[in-house]
Formats: sequence, structure tokens, C-alpha cells
Amino acid sequence: SQKIEQNSEALNIQEGKTATLTCNYTNYSPAYLQWYRQDPGRGPVFLLLIRENEKEKRKERLKVTFDTTLKQSLFHITASQPADSATYLCAPFFQKLVFGTGTRLLVSP
Amino acid sequence: EAGVAQSPRYKIIEKRQSVAFWCNPISGHATLYWYQQILGQGPKLLIQFQNNGVVDDSQLPKDRFSAERLKGVDSTLKIQPAKLEDSAVYLCASSLVLQMHSGNTIYFGEGSWLTVV
Repeated sequence: SQKIEQNSEALNIQEGKTATLTCNYTNYSPAYLQWYRQDPGRGPVFLLLIRENEKEKRKERLKVTFDTTLKQSLFHITASQPADSATYLCAPFFQKLVFGTGTRLLVSP
Repeated sequence: EAGVAQSPRYKIIEKRQSVAFWCNPISGHATLYWYQQILGQGPKLLIQFQNNGVVDDSQLPKDRFSAERLKGVDSTLKIQPAKLEDSAVYLCASSLVLQMHSGNTIYFGEGSWLTVV
């Protein structure tokens, strides 16, 4: 079965820096991959989708890359702010969305 | 636009008791999902409906879990009897159409927190 790996350790960065989160998957490549944000006690909120034939996608301060050779997606937040502190989930689509465990991001002022 | 509504928000029950969760998806959304999210893990799909038909229930523990979506709108998820390992957040979500290769956005509710003691 597919295995989705995200850093289980929290990522601590300073305000203004770029945060980079990693999502690795095994076996065959997904048709697309989505990234979600989840705040404590809330449901996940969709952020970005990137398809297998796209290398990069941007939305405001967010950037997602997709490398099917490395079987990896990177999620970047530039000029990070304390309000960006949350857990970020990657979800590749393998006949259905399969969510990773998420990486917690903490942005300090 | 109203989001996905879920109730109850919190529930504490003893093991072997039963519990039911209710979900009202976004108006017009044909596809409804129930996910289980255990603390520290990502959401795991339990069951997916397209209108009132089941599309995928491969990860639903059918000996104790059941779900229905009568009339293709609201849905209920029931657990009977509950086990300690069922303690989790139960997330309901909906999307406009069936999420195949089109990549439709899934909209989540706030979740129903279940603690089994």
C-alpha cells in the first residue's frame, strides 16, 4: 500500500524566513497532490493542488513543487508570519486522497 | 456560503456504548466523505458517498461502524459498540462532484471529537 511520509518533528522558524515542508511517497506516482492546512481543533482547509505534469504551482506566498522522479513534493511559505503556524498535510491522490501525518510549523515573531 | 456542519462537537462515551454523528454537507455537493483522524495522524477515509450511493467503504470497520446518506444530503455515522481505539476526531467533508482525476476541492467540517473511556 502507499506510504506517505512527512516530517513528524515540528519545524520552527523565525518570522520572515521561508518554511519548506517535505512530502515523500512510495510506489507509483499520484495523478495529483493536494496540500491542506489544519489548525488545532479545526478541520483541514485546502491550499493548493499540483498535477503530475506540473513542476511548480504558486499562490500568493505559497509555492508547491512536484518531482515524480524523486517521488517528492515540497511546500514553501515565503515571508512566513506567526499566523502561518499550523499543521500542513499533504494528500496525494491514489484512486482517493491519502493523507500524510502532517508537519507542524511554528513561526516565531 | 455555509460550510459543512457537524454535530455533536464533542462526545464522551463508555466502551461498548453506541454513538451517532450527523453531517450536513455544503448545499449542492454530491459527494460526502467521513474521515477518522486519530491524534497525531492524518485523516483516514472511512466511507465515501456519491449522492446516496456508497463509492468506497473499504476502510470502514463494518462490524461496528455504519453510515447512511438518505435522500443524498445529510449523513449519519454510527459506532456500535465503541472501543477504546475509536477515540478520534470524525471529520465529515463534501465536494461538488466525485473526486476522480479532476481534483475537486474537499471541504471539511470542524469535526466531532469522540472520547471512549
